[in-house]
Amino acid sequence: NAGVTQTPKFRILKIGQSMTLQCAQDMNHNYMYWYRQDPGMGLKLIYYSVGAGITDKGEVPNGYNVSRSTTEDFPLRLELAAPSQTSVYFCASRSDMWGPKVFGPGTRLTVL
Amino acid sequence: DAKTTQPPSMDCAEGRAANLPCNHSTISGNEYVYWYRQIHSQGPQYIIHGLKNNETNEMASLIITEDRKSSTLILPHATLRDTAVYYCIVTDGNEKLTFGTGTRLTIIP
Repeated sequence: NAGVTQTPKFRILKIGQSMTLQCAQDMNHNYMYWYRQDPGMGLKLIYYSVGAGITDKGEVPNGYNVSRSTTEDFPLRLELAAPSQTSVYFCASRSDMWGPKVFGPGTRLTVL
Repeated sequence: DAKTTQPPSMDCAEGRAANLPCNHSTISGNEYVYWYRQIHSQGPQYIIHGLKNNETNEMASLIITEDRKSSTLILPHATLRDTAVYYCIVTDGNEKLTFGTGTRLTIIP
C-alpha cells in the first residue's frame, strides 16, 4: 500500500491564483481530512469527509472547497489564493471514527 | 472534544524512558486519548490510543489515570530518532478539534 499520497510536494502561487491540492489513499478508508499547519503551530482542521459524497467544515474552512466523488480521492481547492494561506497542508485518512489517522507527507504552499 | 494541556518542551537522555504527560481534566466518558508525533516537518504519525485501560504496543505505553483526567505516554528506551513533537488528542471520534502545539521532546545523546 502507498498509504496517503499528496501532490504536489511544493508550490508557489501568486495572489489571486487558484489551485487544487490532490490527496489519494489506497486503504479503502471512509474518513478523510485536510489540515493546515502554520510555522510553529499545531494542525488545524479545514474540511473532512466521512464517505464519498459527504463533506463537512472543520475549524478553518474559509477560502477552501472540497469534494469527495470517490472513496480514494479528496482534493482541496484554493480559490483566489491569499498570503494567509501560506502553510503546509496535510491530508489524512482513517478506516472509521475510532481508527488511527494515517497522514500524508504534506504539501508546502507559499502564496506571494 | 476535551481540551488537553501538555508541557511545551522536554528533554530526555538517550536510552532512558521518556515520560510525556497530558492533562485532560474535562474528558467525558466516551472520549478516547490518542497520541501522535511529528518528526521534523513530516506528516504526524500515530503512536497509540486508549479509553480507560493502560495500553502498550511496539512503540510505546499509554498510562491513563483512574479518573481519566490525565495520561502519560512512555517511550521505554528513547533513541535520537524519537526527537519529535508529541501531540495528545482527546476525542469522541467526531472531532473538529485541532491538534494543539504539543510537547517538543528532545533526546540528548
